[in-house]
This record gives sequence, C-alpha cells and structure tokens, in this order.
Amino acid sequence: AQSVTQPDIHITVSEGASLELRCNYSYGATPYLFWYVQSPGQGLQLLLKYFSGDTLVQGIKGFEAEFKRSQSSFNLRKPSVHWSDAAEYFCAVVHGSGNTGKLIFGQGTTLQVKP
Amino acid sequence: NAGVTQTPKFQVLKTGQSMTLQCAQDMNHEYMSWYRQDPGMGLRLIHYSVGAGITDQGEVPNGYNVSRSTTEDFPLRLLSAAPSQTSVYFCASSYKHTQYFGPGTRLTVL
Repeated sequence: AQSVTQPDIHITVSEGASLELRCNYSYGATPYLFWYVQSPGQGLQLLLKYFSGDTLVQGIKGFEAEFKRSQSSFNLRKPSVHWSDAAEYFCAVVHGSGNTGKLIFGQGTTLQVKP
Repeated sequence: NAGVTQTPKFQVLKTGQSMTLQCAQDMNHEYMSWYRQDPGMGLRLIHYSVGAGITDQGEVPNGYNVSRSTTEDFPLRLLSAAPSQTSVYFCASSYKHTQYFGPGTRLTVL
C-alpha cells in the first residue's frame, strides 16, 4: 500500500539557519509528490510538486525539494529560514493511478523558528 | 475566481445531530475530495468524486455521505454526529493531479 512518512514531528531551527524536512514514500511506480504548508488556523497552500523530469524542484517562498528514487525520499529544503516560515508542513503522494484527486498525506512536521 | 469555498467556518453540534458541510469550486474541476485533519494524523481522505454523479469512498468514509449533482458543489453530510467526528474538514478540487484546498471547517461534536 502507498504511504508517506515524515519522521520528524517537530523541528526547531534558528532564524537564518538552513532547513531540511524529511519525507519518505512507499510507491511502486514513479510517484507524483507534493509539499504543502499550513499556517495556524489556515488551509493548505501548495509549496511545490514533482511529477517527472528534473529531480530538484523549486517552489514558492524560497523552498526546494529533491526527489531521490534510490532513497524513496522527497526532502524539503530552504537555505535560510524566516520567522514567517513557522507552520506545519505536509508531504503527500497521489494515490493510485489516474487523476482521481486522491492524496495520501504524511503526519506532518511542525516547524518552530527561534529568533 | 474564488477558488474553493467552504461553509461554515466553525460549527458546534450535539451528538446525534445532522448537518451538511458545504463546498463549492468555480474552477470547473472534475475531481473533488473531502479530507479530515486530526492532530498527528495528517489529512485523511473521506470521500471523493471524479465528476458529477460519481462518488467513491476514501480511507475513512464511515459516518459521512456525499453526493455530486453539479461540477461546482460537493457537500458532505453527517447523518448522526458523534464526538469522534470532531475535526477540521477540508474540501479540495483537483486538476492534473494538483489539489486546491478550501479554508476548512472546524467541527466540534459535544
């Protein structure tokens, strides 16, 4: 069965430091992968997505993610974190084949940013 | 475009009451979904629809009904609310595998 694992429930980084959020997936074929961000009390905003092609994907707000098939990973990175990046981050994979509009989400990683 | 809209934003129910969470999208997307979000569990798929008149169950469908009479609307019905349905509910529409989420409905069942 397809699954997504985000090993880190909480991460705290200092403002200006680099960030890496981990995501591992279980999927037989080439996955469609996503990162979403959710600020407190808000909905989910798409940060970036990977469907095919270049394995390094650029997103909004200075985020990037790298697809590594050999490690079944799709880690999210940012070189310098801002206080406004404090939020919950979700990795997700499309479930099944075809455009059915179904996503499987990881459990989420809460990012705290220290001044 | 308004995107995906959900009403109400907040709702408190008593056990056994029924209600409908409304979801609408104006992007003409064929695919729509309902998720619930609970702490430490991410988002879990309740029901989804691949077009008007076609719906199917997701991971956690028990206690919820859906229908899709138009492309725009995808309401979620709770027939007899239970405390276990206290959650935040998100509706989404999808195009080319990318989902666009509404702002959510926070539901409390007492």
